[in-house]
Amino acid sequence: EPEVTQTPSHQVTQMGQEVILRCVPISNHLYFYWYRQILGQKVEFLVSFYNNEISEKSEIFDDQFSVERPDGSNFTLKIRSTKLEDSAMYFCASSEPTGPVYNEQFFGPGTRLTVL
Amino acid sequence: KQEVTQIPAALSVPEGENLVLNCSFTDSAIYNLQWFRQDPGKGLTSLLLIQSSQREQTSGRLNASLDKSSGRSTLYIAASQPGDSATYLCAVPHANAGGTSYGKLTFGQGTILTVHP
Repeated sequence: EPEVTQTPSHQVTQMGQEVILRCVPISNHLYFYWYRQILGQKVEFLVSFYNNEISEKSEIFDDQFSVERPDGSNFTLKIRSTKLEDSAMYFCASSEPTGPVYNEQFFGPGTRLTVL
Repeated sequence: KQEVTQIPAALSVPEGENLVLNCSFTDSAIYNLQWFRQDPGKGLTSLLLIQSSQREQTSGRLNASLDKSSGRSTLYIAASQPGDSATYLCAVPHANAGGTSYGKLTFGQGTILTVHP
């Protein structure tokens, strides 16, 4: 069964460093998302992406964050200068091309980011 | 702003019991509602998607109902097993002020379920 994959599973970085989190969405999906979950808190939306551009972003998704679809299979989240409060589990999700609203979102296993 | 609440926050039951998890949302203008399962330290597994036009959706021992007008959904788990122990999350897509949705999900805080043998 097709699934969303994410690498790495765990990333440890120093404050101020840049990190890139990688995701491979399900192959025929065209809508892509990043969410994060700080330990003990709700899952929070960061950004949605369609047709090579951001569809919607949250207040969390400031200038330190960027997303990219560098090729036909990968979807990346970059944090330019990490802060302690960026420590969280980051989830990538994707949904089918028939529209973002009516279809299930399928989530990857997550990348645990630890900022020291 | 859409708010999603789940009760109870935690539930512990003996194996074999039927149980109900509750999800409520403040804005009834939803397109659908999705239930997820999350194991500790793991990703989210989609369990059921129930469209706004549906009242119920079933998958195996799971049954989800939706009452848009009252802003509620329930997830019914029949004959619970220790392997059902996990956190269960509900989520709804959000529409922006213009009524457009790009699929942004708003999540509840989850119900932690423990099924003991």
